[in-house]
Amino acid sequence: AQTVTQSQPEMSVQEAETVTLSCTYDTSESDYYLFWYKQPPSRQMILVIRQEAYKQQNATENRFSVNFQKAAKSFSLKISDSQLGDAAMYFCAYRRGARSEKLVFGKGTKLTVNP
Amino acid sequence: DAGVIQSPRHEVTEMGQEVTLRCKPISGHNSLFWYRQTMMRGLELLIYFNNNVPIDDSGMPEDRFSAKMPNASFSTLKIQPSEPRDSAVYFCASSLARKASGGFYNEQFFGPGTRLTVL
Repeated sequence: AQTVTQSQPEMSVQEAETVTLSCTYDTSESDYYLFWYKQPPSRQMILVIRQEAYKQQNATENRFSVNFQKAAKSFSLKISDSQLGDAAMYFCAYRRGARSEKLVFGKGTKLTVNP
Repeated sequence: DAGVIQSPRHEVTEMGQEVTLRCKPISGHNSLFWYRQTMMRGLELLIYFNNNVPIDDSGMPEDRFSAKMPNASFSTLKIQPSEPRDSAVYFCASSLARKASGGFYNEQFFGPGTRLTVL
């Protein structure tokens, strides 16, 4: 079974600084998708960024970017120029293949942004 | 456009009672997902439907849990009888599975969740 591990239960960053959240996963599949979701105190789950395993180029969405290391099965999220609104739980998620819709989530990392 | 709608937002009940959680997916979406979130176990997929048909219910904890999707715009998750260990936040999500390069791509849009407390 696929597993997703987020080894940092909590992280903190100063406003305007950069922070990296770690995620590793275990799979024997070659075709899969990876996601980062944000859950602010409102509880709403919001998709931040996604990465297709067949793409070598790291995904980027404005201040959010990933470092996808397929051989190492690592998928970290970098947040640049951190803002107070970035404070939230961040979840890494895995989806097997192009035709599966099942997401497997990590336990999450709580990010605090200090003014 | 309205997002995924869940009701109730909060539910407090006593052990042994029946609980029904409701979800209205985004109009036009063809897949619907039920998740449970707890501190101990994190976010787990319970069941998901595609075109109103259950596809994977391997995450449903036991026979006390059941889910239905009678039509494309409505789904329920029922717990009968409820137990204190069922206390959690239950999320519903929906997606439109569409074909993209490399296969099917679908983003799941989550509802606000229902916080269930079983006393």
